Amino acid sequence: GAGVSQSPSNKVTEKGKDVELRCDPISGHTALYWYRQSLGQGLEFLIYFQGNSAPDKSGLPSDRFSAERTGGSVSTLTIQRTQQEDSAVYLCASSLTSGGHNEQFFGPGTRLTVL
Amino acid sequence: AQSVTQLDSQVPVFEEAPVELRCNYSSSVSVYLFWYVQYPNQGLQLLLKYLSGSTLVKGINGFEAEFNKSQTSFHLRKPSVHISDTAEYFCAVSDRWNNFNKFYFGSGTKLNVKP
Repeated sequence: GAGVSQSPSNKVTEKGKDVELRCDPISGHTALYWYRQSLGQGLEFLIYFQGNSAPDKSGLPSDRFSAERTGGSVSTLTIQRTQQEDSAVYLCASSLTSGGHNEQFFGPGTRLTVL
Repeated sequence: AQSVTQLDSQVPVFEEAPVELRCNYSSSVSVYLFWYVQYPNQGLQLLLKYLSGSTLVKGINGFEAEFNKSQTSFHLRKPSVHISDTAEYFCAVSDRWNNFNKFYFGSGTKLNVKP
């Protein structure tokens, strides 16, 4: 079956503009995660959804970052007034449930470049 | 909160040689352990995981890892590497926090297999 998909694969934007990143999880997966991968860094947790609710938003780096999930499926991560330090690869993952024993399946990521 | 340390950012090795990629984490209380691999320009995929039971875990592509509770380590090994194993490897730990199992990732180890 289809894996996790993300769009766009690459996004170049100017400082100060807003961007939206999209994630389509695997069908039937109730848990969805957003991570940020900066050059030379590990994966930084941003936010987690169980269904449509986000019990944990602790990783969002500032109030310029927000995310939503509708219909228990597609999720969008929005970055307002982008800054150069927002440049990174944004990864989405989904898992069957939020239990820690469940493997997270990752999408290919969106590479964001802020000029 | 957990922290995950991958001491080696890069590991060069010749083809058919053995390799060990090291991973240490901060707390052994109720953890699940994972190794993910990221091939160039691809998303992360699961190599293996430890949930419970035998401390030696076998994964895909001939990789294995050993859970050592006393040393809080989960080192990844392969007795004979191939060129195709060239990739970045991430160790991840999951523990119970805030009603869901949050994944903590290490900063990654780039394995470069030379002919």
